[in-house]
Amino acid sequence: SSELTQDPAVSVALGQTVRITCQGDSLRSSYASWYQQKPGQAPVLVIYHKNNRPSGIPDRISGSSSGNTASLTITGAQADDEADYYCNSGDSSANHLVFGGGTKLTVL
Amino acid sequence: EVQLVQSGAEVEKPGESLRISCKSSGYSFTSYWVGWVRQMPGKGLELMGIIYPGDSHTRYSPSFQGHVTISADKSISTAYLQWSSLKASDTAMYYCARQTGDGYNLYFDCWGQGTLVTVSS
Repeated sequence: SSELTQDPAVSVALGQTVRITCQGDSLRSSYASWYQQKPGQAPVLVIYHKNNRPSGIPDRISGSSSGNTASLTITGAQADDEADYYCNSGDSSANHLVFGGGTKLTVL
Repeated sequence: EVQLVQSGAEVEKPGESLRISCKSSGYSFTSYWVGWVRQMPGKGLELMGIIYPGDSHTRYSPSFQGHVTISADKSISTAYLQWSSLKASDTAMYYCARQTGDGYNLYFDCWGQGTLVTVSS
């Protein structure tokens, strides 16, 4: 299956740690990438190849993976982290990538 | 600097045709796949398809096969998304994005700003 499942919404208290998960069979053979999307803006890549960050992404954002589950962890959540987060995975044999349904992160 | 710049918002009537564009700069356009992603109002991201401008090889996600056409003009480093007959359900924000990575680990590292398409009678 090429489907990726995410929790629709997650909340975290300011300064605390939150984990956003993504489940799917494709994650057993390929890494997830993660994207942050704020209201009215285009998505931005925040994690690729399981736990690599593009330049400009703070190191309090990290990724991990185990079995069919990939995780995005934000350590010391800030108000600026409030956004929708999407995972994405696939491989060349599938001929296309798929996105998870997205998780809305609220920072309280 | 890698940039993808999309064409402006469009308002069209059902049944009309439309082509939107995505102009790339700052990298070798013919060496990377470019994807198109749909986001319907209040909804998530959906990959529509991807194109390799080097040889125009195109792959469509099953849900979009036959409903849209993806093309590219490498002489002007521009990718296109085209409809022959729009429907109200095509109302959405459309993003282009550069795909990179290898084999089993692909991702979109640079995104256009989005093109809002509104289809209404």
